[in-house]
Amino acid sequence: EPEVTQTPSHQVTQMGQEVILRCVPISNHLYFYWYRQILGQKVEFLVSFYNNEISEKSEIFDDQFSVERPDGSNFTLKIRSTKLEDSAMYFCASCAADTQYFGPGTRLTVL
Amino acid sequence: DAKTTQPTSMDCAEGRAANLPCNHSTISGNEYVYWYRQIHSQGPQYIIHGLKNNETNEMASLIITEDRKSSTLILPHATLRDTAVYYCIVRVTSNSGYALNFGKGTSLLVTP
Repeated sequence: EPEVTQTPSHQVTQMGQEVILRCVPISNHLYFYWYRQILGQKVEFLVSFYNNEISEKSEIFDDQFSVERPDGSNFTLKIRSTKLEDSAMYFCASCAADTQYFGPGTRLTVL
Repeated sequence: DAKTTQPTSMDCAEGRAANLPCNHSTISGNEYVYWYRQIHSQGPQYIIHGLKNNETNEMASLIITEDRKSSTLILPHATLRDTAVYYCIVRVTSNSGYALNFGKGTSLLVTP
C-alpha cells in the first residue's frame, strides 16, 4: 500500500541554523501539507500546497518557513533560522481527493 | 469549521467494542465528519469519514445521527494496538485543499 515517507526521522540542529525537512508524498496525490506537533500539544496545521503554490497557511507559517516541490516527487519544508520553539514533530500529508494521509514524521530538536 | 466535543479519555476491554462519541452540533450541511487516530506520536492515521450515511470499512464503523449533530466511531473488536488518541474532525472538502483542525481528541486505553 502506498504511503507518505519522511526524512530524516530525527534532526538535531543548533538555534539559528537552517533545516530542510523532506517528504515523498503518495505518487498520484496533488495536495500536500505540513503539520507540526509540539511535545504534549495538539497537531497544528502549517501549510497546504497545490499546483506549485501555497493554497492555505496558518499564522504559525511565518517568513521563516517556506515550502517547495523541487521535483516530481519531493515536498520540502525549510525553516530558515531555527528557534528553540521550533522543536516539534513535523508531519507531512498528501491527498488525492478528500482524505489526507500522513507520514511518520520528523522529530526536530533545536538546541 | 464546526467545533467538535469529545470525552478526554475512555477505557475498553480487549475484544469488546469501543464506542467513541463526538458532538458536532454546529455542523453545516456540506461538512464531513472525519476520524483519525494517533498512536504515541506517530503520524495521524486516517480511519473513516462520512457525510450523513453510516459508513463501514475494515477498521471501523461510523454512525452519524439523523440530525448530524453527533457521531460515534465504533471499533468492533478492540485490541491492545488500538490504544491511541482518536480525533473527530469536521471539515468541508474543496478543490483547493483543506486543513484538518485537530483538537485534543479522546485517549482510548484498551486493557487486557
